[in-house]
Amino acid sequence: EIVLTQSPGTLSLSPGERATLSCRASQSVSSSFLVWYQQKPGQAPRLLIYGASNRATGIPDRFSGSGSGADFTLTISRLEPEDFAVYYCQHYGSSPLIFGGGTKVEIK
Amino acid sequence: QVQLQESGPGLVKPSETLSLTCTVSGDAIRRYYWNWVRQPPGKGLEWIGYCHHSGNPYYNPSLSSRVTLSVDTSKNQFSLNLNSVTAADTAVYFCAKWNSDWNAFDNWGQGTLVTVSS
Repeated sequence: EIVLTQSPGTLSLSPGERATLSCRASQSVSSSFLVWYQQKPGQAPRLLIYGASNRATGIPDRFSGSGSGADFTLTISRLEPEDFAVYYCQHYGSSPLIFGGGTKVEIK
Repeated sequence: QVQLQESGPGLVKPSETLSLTCTVSGDAIRRYYWNWVRQPPGKGLEWIGYCHHSGNPYYNPSLSSRVTLSVDTSKNQFSLNLNSVTAADTAVYFCAKWNSDWNAFDNWGQGTLVTVSS
């Protein structure tokens, strides 16, 4: 079974700074099945990126995804106040659908 | 945009069955795969499984011995039953729509907290 490991666990940054979040799979996966979500307290997750690098409908272009094989990255180019949240990667391939453990982006 | 709304008891006793329903807006129930995801308080997300109006459901192997998912097209609803619950099943339960083109959940319900306690 594939395991997704997200790092760092917490990222402390200021508004306007760049955020770089990592999602590493325990084995090579298809980028077609790699997804990123944002979750704010008390809310459902919100789809940000699908297919590793495609922004979902309505997602600002400060969010970008990249990567292939076992290493994927979510980048927020300039943090806005509403971007402070928890981010999860997800994969669904041959193994059960799985989520990474999440990265919390908090205000420094 | 499809709307989803979870409903069901917020408190379930240990060893009993947790039952939740997700109501889907419009006539979308036949068009997509429907999923349940849960999140224990302060923890990460766990996928439970999916169902479809035609075809067999598919469950996370970690829960497959206790879970049943089904679709009721006449009510525009799909349901989750999880039996023999313990405190470890206490979580916010989300229903979600699967986008097969994107391989992602593109619509979510707001979530409902279910607490397992006597």
